[in-house]
Amino acid sequence: EAGVTQFPSHSVIEKGQTVTLRCDPISGHDNLYWYRRVMGKEIKFLLHFVKESKQDESGMPNNRFLAERTGGTYSTLKVQPAELEDSGVYFCASSQVGSGGYGYTFGSGTRLTVV
Amino acid sequence: AQRVTQPEKLLSVFKGAPVELKCNYSYSGSPELFWYVQYSRQRLQLLLRHISRESIKGFTADLNKGETSFHLKKPFAQEEDSAMYYCALSRPRGGKLIFGQGTELSVKP
Repeated sequence: EAGVTQFPSHSVIEKGQTVTLRCDPISGHDNLYWYRRVMGKEIKFLLHFVKESKQDESGMPNNRFLAERTGGTYSTLKVQPAELEDSGVYFCASSQVGSGGYGYTFGSGTRLTVV
Repeated sequence: AQRVTQPEKLLSVFKGAPVELKCNYSYSGSPELFWYVQYSRQRLQLLLRHISRESIKGFTADLNKGETSFHLKKPFAQEEDSAMYYCALSRPRGGKLIFGQGTELSVKP
């Protein structure tokens, strides 16, 4: 089966610009998670979709971040306007409902650099 | 508060030496505990899950509820074990993962 796909793999943007990250989960996976690893720090949860609904968005850092999952398939994470501290690696993961952490499949991540 | 602590950022050992990557957690209740690994240029992948009590690639991890620890061990490290290791927890039956800071394991020849 195809894995979790994220693109772009790298993005370099200037402070104040907008960037949209995309995640295509494994087909049939209703759970979709976004995580972020900022340089030197742990991987932190951002939000969780179940199908198209936001189940938990407690990790979203501020209102400059907007996540969508229209139709319950792929998801986008938009950062507008980007700030220097947004630099890091953004991971997406998907799983089937009820599979718990065992069933997570991670994408390769998008490395975002804000200059 | 829910927290996972990995005290070592970097652990360097020689090939054939035993290795132990430490993980302590804080959680109200009984979480599910995991070890994830990220090899160079590869994606993050599950290594071990405490419920399964299995050994993967020679690694084992024992959950010690009294000490709230889930240390990862391997008796004889191999060069191919060099990677970034993350300890993580979730509530029972799934949900978001809470990760530790990660430990970079370097196995030297």
